[in-house]
Amino acid sequence: ETGVTQTPRHLVMGMTNKKSLKCEQHLGHNAMYWYKQSAKKPLELMFVYNFKEQTENNSVPSRFSPECPNSSHLFLHLHTLQPEDSALYLCASSGGGSNRDYGYTFGSGTRLTVV
Amino acid sequence: SQQGEEDPQALSIQEGENATMNCSYKTSINNLQWYRQNSGRGLVHLILIRSNEREKHSGRLRVTLDTSKKSSSLLITASRAADTASYFCATIDYNQGGKLIFGQGTELSVKP
Repeated sequence: ETGVTQTPRHLVMGMTNKKSLKCEQHLGHNAMYWYKQSAKKPLELMFVYNFKEQTENNSVPSRFSPECPNSSHLFLHLHTLQPEDSALYLCASSGGGSNRDYGYTFGSGTRLTVV
Repeated sequence: SQQGEEDPQALSIQEGENATMNCSYKTSINNLQWYRQNSGRGLVHLILIRSNEREKHSGRLRVTLDTSKKSSSLLITASRAADTASYFCATIDYNQGGKLIFGQGTELSVKP
């Protein structure tokens, strides 16, 4: 356990479904992130939240909708996805602010398959 | 956007040998970090080197940074089968929003 917990670990959904990925950290970190990892591609930063405020949306399609109700929880709401959205979705957190010079802590990821 | 590029993309060695992976990046950085990922799992932070540092050690890991060449290397000494994983470098530039940007990674296979 890294301190960042992602659920579910695996998800299979149809293109018309709506589902949500959840990420939770109790490390006292102020920043949380969603990354997408597709086969043979570098990790792609999707969203950044600092102190619950979204500070980065890296040109992500609107079928991905993040939500950060508090500094400990981060969601990624999914609807009308495409098969090419199948990937490993990783959540991470970091200290942010004056604690920037530390690494990110990643969750184990959600393996998403869109059928 | 991709920042770091690792070299080689894949590396296969025998247990006990040293493994060296290189990373090049394009823009200015505040620090460079190395991560490890076991197959299909999350990433684990290994080591962070600041832009004003040239070398850093952590156990069997040795990281160097050459900001003039915009490159870094990760050396794993006396490798073990359990070191088999993908290794990624990532850079952060606080003047560009402080986003951690990853390279494509090196797949390391250590054969017993």
